Amino acid sequence: GAGVSQSPSNKVTEKGKDVELRCDPISGHTALYWYRQRLGQGLEFLIYFQGNSAPDKSGLPSDRFSAERTGESVSTLTIQRTQQEDSAVYLCASRQEGGVGELFFGEGSRLTVL
Amino acid sequence: KNQVEQSPQSLIILEGKNCTLQCNYTVSPFSNLRWYKQDTGRGPVSLTIMTFSENTKSNGRYTATLDADTKQSSLHITASQLSDSASYICVVTPHSNYQLIWGAGTKLIIKP
Repeated sequence: GAGVSQSPSNKVTEKGKDVELRCDPISGHTALYWYRQRLGQGLEFLIYFQGNSAPDKSGLPSDRFSAERTGESVSTLTIQRTQQEDSAVYLCASRQEGGVGELFFGEGSRLTVL
Repeated sequence: KNQVEQSPQSLIILEGKNCTLQCNYTVSPFSNLRWYKQDTGRGPVSLTIMTFSENTKSNGRYTATLDADTKQSSLHITASQLSDSASYICVVTPHSNYQLIWGAGTKLIIKP
């Protein structure tokens, strides 16, 4: 596609439920990032994928969070047993490998946990 | 510790006026410095990217400057428009590192 696509754009769920967020990066972009942005705050790094290398998961806040990506394709971010503090916008970004490649963001998935 | 600090936190100016946003960083060495614009409810969009050897980069009414000696960058907006109302975020990439160090952003409001 022309840009980074994320779905769903909005998700309301009940505390304790699992949610899955999807990111479809720009074709040919080997690097993919997930960020979390709470209301009125800055971007918080969650996870980084680069091609077939082992992902950097150092930003995942707890073991309830996991993400997968197969090769250079779609990535999914899964949050198990959601808590109210998980409410945020989850942003995905992709770029070509290395250098000063521009980072392109999706419009985000807004998660509200009741 | 690698940090990016932005000032002011928020700024209100009248349409047509100019403004300058500041970014101070402690990341060293670094590969590049970026400025992003984030409209409310949208993903960030890149405005400028500067490598450590560049000291200015323009994109229309936006001009970014970089002083690698003092570890400061600024974003100057000329002849502001209502559509410039957004958060402006400074981001630094450490050398040989894919991680990006994000500032908290400056929230800019343009009033008619």
